[in-house]
Amino acid sequence: AQSVTQPDIHITVSEGASLELRCNYSYGATPYLFWYVQSPGQGLQLLLKYFSGDTLVQGIKGFEAEFKRSQSSFNLRKPSVHWSDAAEYFCAVGARFKGNTGKLIFGQGTTLQVKP
Amino acid sequence: NAGVTQTPKFQVLKTGQSMTLQCAQDMNHNSMYWYRQDPGMGLRLIYYSASEGTTDKGEVPNGYNVSRLNKREFSLRLESAAPSQTSVYFCASRPPGTGDYEQYFGPGTRLTVT
Repeated sequence: AQSVTQPDIHITVSEGASLELRCNYSYGATPYLFWYVQSPGQGLQLLLKYFSGDTLVQGIKGFEAEFKRSQSSFNLRKPSVHWSDAAEYFCAVGARFKGNTGKLIFGQGTTLQVKP
Repeated sequence: NAGVTQTPKFQVLKTGQSMTLQCAQDMNHNSMYWYRQDPGMGLRLIYYSASEGTTDKGEVPNGYNVSRLNKREFSLRLESAAPSQTSVYFCASRPPGTGDYEQYFGPGTRLTVT
C-alpha cells in the first residue's frame, strides 16, 4: 500500500541556519511527490512538486527538494531559514484511486520552529 | 478568482447536533475532496467527488455524508456530531486533465464537538 513517512515530528532551527525535512514514500510506480506548507490557522499551500525530469526541483519561498529513487526519499531543503518559515510541512504522494480519480496520501507532518 | 472557499471558519457543536460544511471552487475543477486533519496524522480523505453528480468514500467516511450540488459546490454533512469528529476539515479541488494529482486547498474549518 502507498504510504508517506515524515520521521521528524518537530524540528527547531535557528534563523539563518540551513534546513532539511525528511520524507520517505512507499509507492510501486513512478511517484508524483509534493511538499505543502501550512502556516498557523491557514490552509495548505503548494511549495513544490515532482513527477518527472530533473530530480532536483525548485519551489517557492527559496525551497528545493531532491527526489532519490534509490532511497525512496523526497527531502525538502532550504539554505537559510527565515522566521516566517515557521509552519507545518506536509509531504504527499499522488496515487490513483478507484479508477481514474487521483488522491493525495499525506505524511504526518513536520512542525518547524525557528529560533531568533 | 477566490480559489477554494469554505464556510464556516470555526464551529462549536454539542454531541448529537448536525451541521453542514460548505465548500465552493471557482476554477472549473471537476474533482473535489474533503479531508480531515488531526495532530500527528496528516490529512486523511473522507469523501471525494470525481465529477458533478458522483461521490465516493475515502479512507474515513463513517459519520459523514456529502453532496456534490453542482460543479462548484461540494458539502460535507455531520448528521449526529461526536467528539471524535473534532478536527480541522479541508476541502480541495483538482484541475481536469492533469496527470500530476496536484490539489488546491481551502482555508479549512475548525470544528469542535463538546
